[in-house]
Amino acid sequence: KQEVTQIPAALSVPEGENLVLNCSFTDSAIYNLQWFRQDPGKGLTSLLLIQSSQREQTSGRLNASLDKSSGRSTLYIAASQPGDSATYLCALSRGAGNMLTFGGGTRLMVKP
Amino acid sequence: EAQVTQNPRYLITVTGKKLTVTCSQNMNHEYMSWYRQDPGLGLRQIYYSMNVEVTDKGDVPEGYKVSRKEKRNFPLILESPSPNQTSLYFCASSLRQPDYGYTFGSGTRLTVV
Repeated sequence: KQEVTQIPAALSVPEGENLVLNCSFTDSAIYNLQWFRQDPGKGLTSLLLIQSSQREQTSGRLNASLDKSSGRSTLYIAASQPGDSATYLCALSRGAGNMLTFGGGTRLMVKP
Repeated sequence: EAQVTQNPRYLITVTGKKLTVTCSQNMNHEYMSWYRQDPGLGLRQIYYSMNVEVTDKGDVPEGYKVSRKEKRNFPLILESPSPNQTSLYFCASSLRQPDYGYTFGSGTRLTVV
């Protein structure tokens, strides 16, 4: 059974810092990996989708990488801002008809 | 605007009183799914649908029903809600599995007393 772990569970950084969020998984037979952002009591906003054949995806200040062989993905946030404060979730899909398997999330706080 | 719309956003109900949470998407997505989110347990899939009239169980289907009569709608039905179904529920859709990512609704916070 696929297990997805996100470390750290919580992170507090000063504004302007570059930071890395980690996502590790036990089964490398994944089809794609998606990073989401969730604000308290709100829905999930998709940030980046990486297909299994890709190594990374970039959107603005965000860069996500995928290394299937080592079972890891990282989300890099450049020049963090207070508005980046949220919980970040990674989720893996194993293929058609398969559910997304979510990590437990990293709760990020960026202090002004 | 492309989106997944859930209603209601908040609901408090009593044990045993049947309820339906609606989900609608305007993106012509084939795949739709329901998740519940609980502290310490994360997000878990309840049911999913690969297309019209095709539904299947996820990780935690007990106590729930779904139907997919039209492509855009995927309601979640609780025939006899119990307090352990108090949770934050999300509907999600995807253009086609597994090639595309998911779009999530804003969530429905359900409390069963």
